[in-house]
Amino acid sequence: ETGVTQSPTHLIKTRGQQVTLRCSSQSGHNTVSWYQQALGQGPQFIFQYYREEENGRGNFPPRFSGLQFPNYSSELNVNALELDDSALYLCASSLDQGAGGYTFGSGTRLTVV
Amino acid sequence: ELKVEQNPLFLSMQEGKNYTIYCNYSTTSDRLYWYRQDPGKSLESLFVLLSNGAVKQEGRLMASLDTKARLSTLHITAAVHDLSATYFCAVAPNTNAGKSTFGDGTTLTVKP
Repeated sequence: ETGVTQSPTHLIKTRGQQVTLRCSSQSGHNTVSWYQQALGQGPQFIFQYYREEENGRGNFPPRFSGLQFPNYSSELNVNALELDDSALYLCASSLDQGAGGYTFGSGTRLTVV
Repeated sequence: ELKVEQNPLFLSMQEGKNYTIYCNYSTTSDRLYWYRQDPGKSLESLFVLLSNGAVKQEGRLMASLDTKARLSTLHITAAVHDLSATYFCAVAPNTNAGKSTFGDGTTLTVKP
């Protein structure tokens, strides 16, 4: 049983560019949540995908979008990058919107310059 | 809007001492989670508290939940250096832990 894997681990982008982050959920998990963690803060919920459909969204603008594929892997896309988008982006997966907890990936560190 | 507040935000303690981290939240919820994060690493689930009065213990850490007071505590007994990390509490609005609201974390440093 593999855990949650994210790629890339680090990324540097220029303001105004677009970025795609990827997440492979744990085997058997059909629910993926994405979080943004700014330096020195707790993770903030961006959105969740369940069986390829968006299943809730936090307080993030539309330039944050996502996708979940039939194998339940997921992508987070951010358009028109801003300096404040610099953060650690975490992906977490579970089975059927689990109440018992999610398994987190190691994250992608995005730096916008 | 659900708010989660932890205190203290920074905690420096000597090995062998006891201390408690507090987590207050603003709306009714029966589900509270504690996570540990080491520098530059991801989140590790420590405890899942699913009902009022729930108490869970693992090694030197014990977590409890009082849903009426909207308060959870993480108690550290006889701290050791390996416990140095940032600890987060998180509250889910319903049964879906994947939509949790997190506190800002308590950074614990245990000194010899």
